[in-house]
Amino acid sequence: AQTVTQSQPEMSVQEAETVTLSCTYDTSENNYYLFWYKQPPSRQMILVIRQEAYKQQNATENRFSVNFQKAAKSFSLKISDSQLGDTAMYFCAFMKHAFGSQGNLIFGKGTKLSVKP
Amino acid sequence: DAGITQSPRYKITETGRQVTLMCHQTWSHSYMFWYRQDLGHGLRLIYYSAAADITDKGEVPDGYVVSRSKTENFPLTLESATRSQTSVYFCASGLTGELFFGEGSRLTVL
Repeated sequence: AQTVTQSQPEMSVQEAETVTLSCTYDTSENNYYLFWYKQPPSRQMILVIRQEAYKQQNATENRFSVNFQKAAKSFSLKISDSQLGDTAMYFCAFMKHAFGSQGNLIFGKGTKLSVKP
Repeated sequence: DAGITQSPRYKITETGRQVTLMCHQTWSHSYMFWYRQDLGHGLRLIYYSAAADITDKGEVPDGYVVSRSKTENFPLTLESATRSQTSVYFCASGLTGELFFGEGSRLTVL
């Protein structure tokens, strides 16, 4: 069975600074996806970034980037130039890749990020 | 409107009552999922469906029933609600490699 661990229940960062959220996972699968989701107070689950395990290049989306270390089973999220709107709960998630079907997401317990002015 | 919608957004009920949470998606995704979100647990899978009339249990299925007579709808029923089922419920539908979430339904069981 796959597990996802987020070891930082809460973090804070000053506006405009950089913060890194940690995530580790455990799996025996070779093909899978990793995700970071953002959940602001509105409760909506918003996809921040996605990484396909077979791609060695780290995914980036504007101010968001990941450090994907497949051998170490580590998938951290870096937020650059933090903005007040980044304040949210962040979830790391794992999905097994299955041809012709859609996998289930397995979530970590989340990291609550507060961006301070 | 295109997307995935849940109803009701908020529901208060009493122990022992039956409650149905609705989920509707307009993308014709084959796969649909129900998760519950509780403090300290993240999101956990209750049930999922690979297609109309095909459903299967997830991590925490006890006390819940699902059906999927049409591709676009995936209702979740609590046949006899308990206080432990107080939670936020999310429906999601899938395209290969990504899930899209509804806005969530907050259920309180008194």
